[in-house]
Amino acid sequence: DADVTQTPRNRITKTGKRIMLECSQTKGHDRMYWYRQDPGLGLRLIYYSFDVKDINKGEISDGYSVSRQAQAKFSLSLESAIPNQTALYFCATRAGTGESDTQYFGPGTRLTVL
Amino acid sequence: GQNIDQPTEMTATEGAIVQINCTYQTSGFNGLFWYQQHAGEAPTFLSYNVLDGLEEKGRFSSFLSRSKGYSYLLLKELQMKDSASYLCAVKDSNYQLIWGAGTKLIIKP
Repeated sequence: DADVTQTPRNRITKTGKRIMLECSQTKGHDRMYWYRQDPGLGLRLIYYSFDVKDINKGEISDGYSVSRQAQAKFSLSLESAIPNQTALYFCATRAGTGESDTQYFGPGTRLTVL
Repeated sequence: GQNIDQPTEMTATEGAIVQINCTYQTSGFNGLFWYQQHAGEAPTFLSYNVLDGLEEKGRFSSFLSRSKGYSYLLLKELQMKDSASYLCAVKDSNYQLIWGAGTKLIIKP
């Protein structure tokens, strides 16, 4: 079974709709991240969380919100989707700092906003 | 601002050696990562450098020069399955990862 899972894997929606992307992990990591990836651009950080009560904005948080419901779950919401939010979205987890701080990525959610 | 530069695309021949360069200007430095990403899939960890020098892992090696803000990933004995994008990422002074746009490597028979 995959350690980091994302649902849905693909989603097509219309402008103005509310969308939630979900991420679950069985790695037992405290740190979780949401990124988006666009062609020709690097991964860009949207939000991150170091534990259940901790939420931090990343580089491009406008238009997004998150919820850390439990250590294993981190959801990303688009309150009112717009076409330029069409992208590939990745959730990632990380154990901590130092050598062990490799990030482990989920399989991604491809979101299209029409 | 923070910036990581990698070539957009490279082409190499099966069985050959290829070097993918990465230069960075970041606010602080706490390590550099290389990830591999096949098309439409998640990035997967390849290597981590925090001290100057060469780290070798089988067919893959990664080099770091902190004074030059420079790293490279060396892939030997190229195989068709090595066709992928290779992402360079630097951990800055806030321990956040700053990602390059990636280098798409095309392997030809």
